Amino acid sequence: QTVVTQEPSFSVSPGGAVTLTCGLSSGSVSTSYYPSWYQQTPGQAPRTLIYNTNIRSSGVPDRFSGSILGNKAALTITGAQADDESDYYCVLYMGSGIWVFGGGTKLTVL
Amino acid sequence: EVQLVESGGGLIQPGGSLRLSCAASGFSVSNFYMTWVRQAPGKGLDWVSVIHTSDNTDYTDSVKGRFTVSRDNSKNTLYLQMNSLRAEDTAVYYCARGRPAYNFDYWGQGTLVTVSS
Repeated sequence: QTVVTQEPSFSVSPGGAVTLTCGLSSGSVSTSYYPSWYQQTPGQAPRTLIYNTNIRSSGVPDRFSGSILGNKAALTITGAQADDESDYYCVLYMGSGIWVFGGGTKLTVL
Repeated sequence: EVQLVESGGGLIQPGGSLRLSCAASGFSVSNFYMTWVRQAPGKGLDWVSVIHTSDNTDYTDSVKGRFTVSRDNSKNTLYLQMNSLRAEDTAVYYCARGRPAYNFDYWGQGTLVTVSS
């Protein structure tokens, strides 16, 4: 059973930068997994931030960027703002019509 | 404007059945793959099922044989028939639109399913 790994929590100072990662329990994440990133605040539906590794969804500020760093997918947030405090999830397409979400990262801005 | 509106959630006893609906507007469900994602209370997102444009379907292992995804193109609506429900199926169920390489681009607001006696 493949597990998609994310940092459980992270903190960033207002105005600072942070990189969240999305890895595999076995193997490396590549663009072939079409990594996507979603932001979710309590009680709300997920919001699509990044798809296909590095393409920003409509309306997402360019403070959010996606990439492959080493053997993981990465979401970098620059110029962190208070309303960036959210849960962030990645999802990977495993092939054969199967997707797997990471466990999510709770980002605190303080 | 793309919109997805789920309905059909509620309180159901273990072993019972429930059918969720996801009414789409602003696009045709027949032209996209459509997926269900759930989130147990206080937990992360969990992919559940997909119906492809070909009408092929796929499921996460824990719901295979119990859940069935389908769509009615004339009503532009996605469904999730859930049978033999278990306590661990308790979650908010979201429908989402998908595109190849994009994964899930639009999401509904979710509907809560509570399985409890």
